[in-house]
Amino acid sequence: AQTVTQSQPEMSVQEAETVTLSCTYDTSENNYYLFWYKQPPSRQMILVIRQEAYKQQNATENRFSVNFQKAAKSFSLKISDSQLGDTAMYFCAFMKLNNNDMRFGAGTRLTVKP
Amino acid sequence: DGGITQSPKYLFRKEGQNVTLSCEQNLNHDAMYWYRQDPGQGLRLIYYSQIVNDFQKGDIAEGYSVSREKKESFPLTVTSAQKNPTAFYLCASSAQPIYGYTFGSGTRLTVV
Repeated sequence: AQTVTQSQPEMSVQEAETVTLSCTYDTSENNYYLFWYKQPPSRQMILVIRQEAYKQQNATENRFSVNFQKAAKSFSLKISDSQLGDTAMYFCAFMKLNNNDMRFGAGTRLTVKP
Repeated sequence: DGGITQSPKYLFRKEGQNVTLSCEQNLNHDAMYWYRQDPGQGLRLIYYSQIVNDFQKGDIAEGYSVSREKKESFPLTVTSAQKNPTAFYLCASSAQPIYGYTFGSGTRLTVV
């Protein structure tokens, strides 16, 4: 079974600075999808960014970007110019191709300080 | 606005009682999912359904049951057989899972 590990239970960053959240996963698959979700205090999960494993180019969505290292099975999320509204739990997730079983990590609680 | 509606937001249940959590979507998504969220454990899949009248067990289906009689609705029943039901429950749906899921705002269930 695929596992997703987020080794940082909590992190903090000063407003306007950059922070990187780590995620590693374990799989024998070659094609799969990776996701980062944000869960703010309202608790509704919001998709931040996704990456297709067959694409070498790292995905970017405005201030959010990923560093996808397929050989190392690493998928970190970089948040640039951090804003107070970025304060949330962040979950890394993995899904095999043609599969309805999305696997989540335990999450990283990020606090952006003014 | 299209989205997923979960109700109620908070639910209290006495031990030994069954309780049903509602999940409705107007996104015309075929696939729907139920996840359980506990502190420090991320999200764990309870059940999912890819089409009406069909559903599959996830990792922690014991003590739970679902139905999918309509495309829009995927209710979850927490039965008295679930030994530790106090948790936050999230419902999600997807048109194409590889593009990610859309989540509801969740139901907090507390057993008293």
